Amino acid sequence: SSELTQDPVVSVALGQTVRMTCQGDSLRSYSASWYQQKPGQAPVLVIHSKDNRPSGIPDRFSGSSSGDTASLTITGTQAEDEADYYCSSRDNSGSHLGRVFGGGTKLTVL
Amino acid sequence: QVQLQESGPGLVKPSQTLSLTCTVSGDSIRSGGYFWTWIRQHPGKGLEWIGYIYYTGSPYYNPSLKSRVTISVDTSKNQFSLKLTSVTAADTAVYYCARDRVVVGDNWFDPWGQGTLVTVSS
Repeated sequence: SSELTQDPVVSVALGQTVRMTCQGDSLRSYSASWYQQKPGQAPVLVIHSKDNRPSGIPDRFSGSSSGDTASLTITGTQAEDEADYYCSSRDNSGSHLGRVFGGGTKLTVL
Repeated sequence: QVQLQESGPGLVKPSQTLSLTCTVSGDSIRSGGYFWTWIRQHPGKGLEWIGYIYYTGSPYYNPSLKSRVTISVDTSKNQFSLKLTSVTAADTAVYYCARDRVVVGDNWFDPWGQGTLVTVSS
């Protein structure tokens, strides 16, 4: 199956901009979706279809993609953005019917 | 507003079968364009996709779990279920159900259930 690679840990100063990346061959064919997970909570969708935000997600969250890499950017990072972030996409191996997650990035807000 | 809720035993003995149910409210499980999905998260680890089922009953599984997993759907109860056989301690995890939407080839999971911790122990 495909693999998606994320940096395990990323830190950002309060109010600054941070970009988290997700790399994998499947992203050449399919868009990434991004999920925020805070301790003890279920993941929440923050970006889908490259750069679409569900209702209720602040506009400081944005997504982009180039080649085999998708990015999640938080502009003006807030303390409440400290969380784990996971990317996901369709699996481009075999029948392309499966799904795959990245290993996650732990975002620390300094 | 669609909501998903997992239910089932929180403790399963080694070698037995883990069984969970996800109840969907606020939408019909027969809605087209959605795949009803199970995802798990080992303690302190990342997310692992287990598999999904369409309302017509067509499942697809993670190849790494395929030999032990069965996902089924009961449209009359608006529920779908997970069975994982021959469990070991390595199957201890929080199990989530989620709705997987597919549009023009891309997919995303939304919403998610709150998750349920299943511990495999004697």
